[in-house]
This record gives sequence, structure tokens and C-alpha cells, in this order.
Amino acid sequence: DADVTQTPRNRITKTGKRIMLECSQTKGHDRMYWYRQDPGLGLRLIYYSFDVKDINKGEISDGYSVSRQAQAKFSLSLESAIPNQTALYFCATSALDPGGAVADTQYFGPGTRLTVL
Amino acid sequence: DAKTTQPTSMDCAEGRAANLPCNHSTISGNEYVYWYRQIHSQGPQYIIHGLKNNETNEMASLIITEDRKSSTLILPHATLRDTAVYYCIVRNRGSTLGRLYFGRGTQLTVWP
Repeated sequence: DADVTQTPRNRITKTGKRIMLECSQTKGHDRMYWYRQDPGLGLRLIYYSFDVKDINKGEISDGYSVSRQAQAKFSLSLESAIPNQTALYFCATSALDPGGAVADTQYFGPGTRLTVL
Repeated sequence: DAKTTQPTSMDCAEGRAANLPCNHSTISGNEYVYWYRQIHSQGPQYIIHGLKNNETNEMASLIITEDRKSSTLILPHATLRDTAVYYCIVRNRGSTLGRLYFGRGTQLTVWP
């Protein structure tokens, strides 16, 4: 979905390096998410944010940190990259349906392929 | 959120209907059924969701059994571009957790 962009699209780095993955959205959504996907596995949630001041850990947050610089921007950092963080990373956004209480739909970016050597 | 069970893989001839089943026998009254798909290494794409009534949009139809323990996603006229992994996800209505639990999904292959 072109409304959710991720940079870079591909990155190769070395063990111990600091890496930042960026996500921007023009959908006007309050909620943003970071997932990772490993070969043959489903997506696993790393962090999520319901607004600029609300950031929450997901199921696999160890080794990662995030920053919600603005409603439209949500960055994921690997402070000291390690090889088992090699994966496909996806950012997603969502907003409540008009009814307010209905479970929301998430819209994903194109992904960042990260390789840690 | 309730667990779901899907076949690992299915195939379908181009132009025919693709019917993808999903079992969610532990679903509760507040939980919606969502379907997403992921074309190879691209970001997952939302398809459709429903609570208890059948739903249809421009992409697909969702048929939910009366007891809500299973559902079927129907792609009425499959094309080669529909080849993807299809994920059935059950989510609590109004969940504050915000997460989607993606399982292994069903690899649908559409052949010419």
C-alpha cells in the first residue's frame, strides 16, 4: 500500500552496528506497528503505538527500540544488530472503524529486508 | 484471541472459484474473523472481515457458519495474481491489544 512507506527497502549490515528502519504513513492513522517475519513463519509483533505518547512492547521486543516522532512516523532501531535479527520487517498502521468499538484493519508497508552478517 | 486452523496448501485453476477454509472452534462472541493475504515477500494485504453475517466486497466473499466455528473465504474467479499465502485471523472486537496473530496460513497456488 503506497500510503505506508518503509525505508530502506533492503539493508545489509554487520554484527554490532546500529540500524534504524523508518516508517511513514499518509493515512492519518493513530496506530502504528512493527512486525518481523522469518522464513516459513508468520509475522511476530515487535512494538506497537496507539498514539505519539503511547508505546507498547510486543511479543519479541528484546534487542529493539522504537520512536514515534510524530503521528505519521514510527522508527524501529536495532542498537547492536546480531545475525538472528536477519528478517523481513513490516510496518503497519490502523485506525478504529467509524463505529469506534469495532476491531480495526491493519495496512502494511512493503517491508524492509535486513541482513545482519 | 482464538486460534485458527487452516490447510497448509491448496491449488486452484485460473478462472475457477477458490474456497479457502478456516476452523476457529474456540471463537467467542466478540471476536471477528479477518482474512489477509501475502504475495511473496510483500506486505500483507487486508481482504475482508466479518462477525457472523456473510460478507462480500470487491475482492472476495466470506461465509461464516451459523455456529461461527468455521469460515470460508471465496475468491470467485481466481487469477494467477491471487497466488499468495492467505491468513485467517480471529480478533477480539475493540481489542486494546492491537496485535494480529498471523499463523502459517494457506499457500494458494493458482495455475493456468
